[in-house]
Amino acid sequence: DAKTTQPTSMDCAEGRAANLPCNHSTISGNEYVYWYRQIHSQGPQYIIHGLKNNETNEMASLIITEDRKSSTLILPHATLRDTAVYYCIVRVAPHQTGANNLFFGTGTRLTVIP
Amino acid sequence: DGGITQSPKYLFRKEGQNVTLSCEQNLNHDAMYWYRQDPGQGLRLIYYSQIVNDFQKGDIAEGYSVSREKKESFPLTVTSAQKNPTAFYLCASSGQESTEAFFGQGTRLTVV
Repeated sequence: DAKTTQPTSMDCAEGRAANLPCNHSTISGNEYVYWYRQIHSQGPQYIIHGLKNNETNEMASLIITEDRKSSTLILPHATLRDTAVYYCIVRVAPHQTGANNLFFGTGTRLTVIP
Repeated sequence: DGGITQSPKYLFRKEGQNVTLSCEQNLNHDAMYWYRQDPGQGLRLIYYSQIVNDFQKGDIAEGYSVSREKKESFPLTVTSAQKNPTAFYLCASSGQESTEAFFGQGTRLTVV
């Protein structure tokens, strides 16, 4: 029960922006949108998260629609090292009840092309 | 150096044997999780624990068992009842103060 829907795969040219969409139409008011990525045979790595405002950090930007039913992760200048599987998940904040169900789907396999 | 450690990285066992995978964290996190990942697939939740001496089944708990006797440790036992145990196993932890979950580097179990 991942509660999110992502495209199976995407390609992006090196140096261009990678825009990865995620649908979470059943998101609850107290659930955050989290993004992780997994490079082959390693543990997933946290990227960014947000509740309703757009967020930016040194790795990426997260754009959440006003109705919160979808979001887009943006890697502004994709490099070959960004080739990975990207997971979008929804969860309540860690301190809230029910926070400990981290459900991952199959994610989007992003391939950055030279 | 704080983090979450899984050992060993690679593990081989004969069919019919139980095997225990180790997961240790020194992040003072209350919650710990075990996931299974098959080739080309996403992560599936096996078990999770919110606090010492308590744990809950995830989506695919059959054939697995866990214990949480210490906050730092959440070992996973793959029993002989698990029909397809060969997979990549990931452990994670999260705390009330942290906004993200931290993952170990995984254990690749091969049963022959």
